[in-house]
Amino acid sequence: NAGVTQTPKFQVLKTGQSMTLQCAQDMNHEYMSWYRQDPGMGLRLIHYSVGAGITDQGEVPNGYNVSRSTTEDFPLRLLSAAPSQTSVYFCASRSPNEKLFFGSGTQLSVL
Amino acid sequence: GNSVTQMEGPVTLSEEAFLTINCTYTATGYPSLFWYVQYPGEGLQLLLKATKADDKGSNKGFEATYRKETTSFHLEKGSVQVSDSAVYFCALSPNTGNQFYFGTGTSLTVIP
Repeated sequence: NAGVTQTPKFQVLKTGQSMTLQCAQDMNHEYMSWYRQDPGMGLRLIHYSVGAGITDQGEVPNGYNVSRSTTEDFPLRLLSAAPSQTSVYFCASRSPNEKLFFGSGTQLSVL
Repeated sequence: GNSVTQMEGPVTLSEEAFLTINCTYTATGYPSLFWYVQYPGEGLQLLLKATKADDKGSNKGFEATYRKETTSFHLEKGSVQVSDSAVYFCALSPNTGNQFYFGTGTSLTVIP
């Protein structure tokens, strides 16, 4: 069982570049979400989706875009990367009994 | 609003020592409470959960009891092992809405 798959695992960007972090799940979960993890800050919710075609903002949405065209995929887009977006990013889906399933993370550095 | 406060780490214990990681929460209504564990280089994994007051969640020797009167969900283990070394996150899910709220995490290192 693949669970939640994130790519890439590591990425270095220059300020102003754009990129897309990919996330896919094979558990048919309606709910998917993106978090960033920063030292001393825990996990903070960026965006989430409760189903295909539906997305909403979390705690720290600025600088990030999402879309949900299928149940399986939930990509996160950085349109113009900034050093403040240097972080570890996790995608997670949620089962009906509220259990979150996390991907292995993407470590992003913006220079 | 909703928030979770965890004891700050890092915590270093000898093998077979008793572990307590404190967690308190603020929430409207009656949230579900969780402990997640993150091993080095990996994503978070659910360790245990409790969905109502006085429920006790347990898994792999870890336990936590949902205390509504003290708004707490402290994690305990009677005898830690080196393999328990990880970062532990307390979290809550409100009974309304679609967001989880995480604490800042507590790093645990167990030495032989």
